[in-house]
Amino acid sequence: QVQLVESGGGVVQPGGSLRLSCAASGFTFTTYGLHWVRQAPGKGLEWVAFIRYDGNKRYYADSVKGRFTISRDSSKNTLYLQMNSLRGEDTALYYCAKQANGDYFDYWGQGTLVTVSS
Amino acid sequence: SYVLTQPPSVSVAPGQTARITCGGNNIGSKSVHWYQQKPGQAPVLVVYDDSDRPSGIPERFSGSNSGNTATLTITRVEDGDEADYYCHVWESSSDHWVFGGGTKLTVL
Repeated sequence: QVQLVESGGGVVQPGGSLRLSCAASGFTFTTYGLHWVRQAPGKGLEWVAFIRYDGNKRYYADSVKGRFTISRDSSKNTLYLQMNSLRGEDTALYYCAKQANGDYFDYWGQGTLVTVSS
Repeated sequence: SYVLTQPPSVSVAPGQTARITCGGNNIGSKSVHWYQQKPGQAPVLVVYDDSDRPSGIPERFSGSNSGNTATLTITRVEDGDEADYYCHVWESSSDHWVFGGGTKLTVL
């Protein structure tokens, strides 16, 4: 069965950096696009970033563009999110999600919590 | 940027029908997807492409989409349906994915 397991969250100071990972299993990693979606405490879902199945297209939400970088390693079946210049408003639970053959997300991980605080 | 508008809350008695709306400019021209999120859990897809259901989702969940409003309908509502529901579209002009603000469904 499909599994997505996020890791790498933690507490970081404003202006700091963090790299999140999402280990994927149960599907052909090189066939599907992958996303990061975040949810601030008590708030709704916010799409963060997308990477195409081959890694050759990446899109970002305006709120993170220029600070976050999405990448994937097919040799490790792992998705990454490099987060730089972190701000308080980046505090959230970060989910990775698998895109289905359409433009919807059919599987989600359980999330990893990022807290930006001094 | 494209905006999806949902009512913050909807309340319904058990056994009744809940309707959760998602408003957007000409949303009828897009494919709308819906997710259910219970407290402390990851979102779960309940309707995709306006009105299709993933395997394992009860037939009580259905969707429609026309004009400027998409609707998630839950018939014969049960206590276990109490959750937050989010609508979701891909905005092709910007290559961004957009979520509605979410609707908290309360079963009275």
